[in-house]
Amino acid sequence: AQKVTQAQTEISVVEKEDVTLDCVYETRDTTYYLFWYKQPPSGELVFLIRRNSFDEQNEISGRYSWNFQKSTSSFNFTITASQVVDSAVYFCALSDGASGGSYIPTFGRGTSLIVHP
Amino acid sequence: AAGVIQSPRHLIKEKRETATLKCYPIPRHDTVYWYQQGPGQDPQFLISFYEKMQSDKGSIPDRFSAQQFSDYHSELNMSSLELGDSALYFCASSFGGGAVEPYNEQFFGPGTRLTVL
Repeated sequence: AQKVTQAQTEISVVEKEDVTLDCVYETRDTTYYLFWYKQPPSGELVFLIRRNSFDEQNEISGRYSWNFQKSTSSFNFTITASQVVDSAVYFCALSDGASGGSYIPTFGRGTSLIVHP
Repeated sequence: AAGVIQSPRHLIKEKRETATLKCYPIPRHDTVYWYQQGPGQDPQFLISFYEKMQSDKGSIPDRFSAQQFSDYHSELNMSSLELGDSALYFCASSFGGGAVEPYNEQFFGPGTRLTVL
């Protein structure tokens, strides 16, 4: 069965600090997809990134970067120079075809990031 | 760009009452997913529909039912409401069943916050 572990329940940083959110996943499939979502206090889920299992290239988008390492089954998310507006709960999710070909994502428990001014 | 629309945004019900949540997917999206997110929890998949047929079923209670209509909007019907049903209910949409990249990105609606008193 697929599984996503976000070991950090809550992280507190001061503005301008860099912060890395960890995500470790388990799957028996060779084809799978990893996602990160942001959930600000307003409650909506905001899509940040999708990565498929065949693409281990790291990605950078502004202050956000993602490090995908199949060798350690990790898909970590780094925010550089954090800002107060980055305060949110961040979810890592995994979808694979284990459930008879469906790709319904399984979410981790989320990491609450608090950025203090 | 048009996003997923959910109505109502907030709903307050008494125990044992019924509730109907509506979801309008992004135009041309044919796949709808329902998730339940309890307080401090990660989103849990309930059920999905592809081309008006149920495609996957998750942890949806028997008291809940859902369907997708000819215009692709979906409704989640909840009966005999319990206190534990209080949660944020997300609808997401995608195209083509959501299994093939890049169509496996699910676009989430803003959610309906259900409170059962």
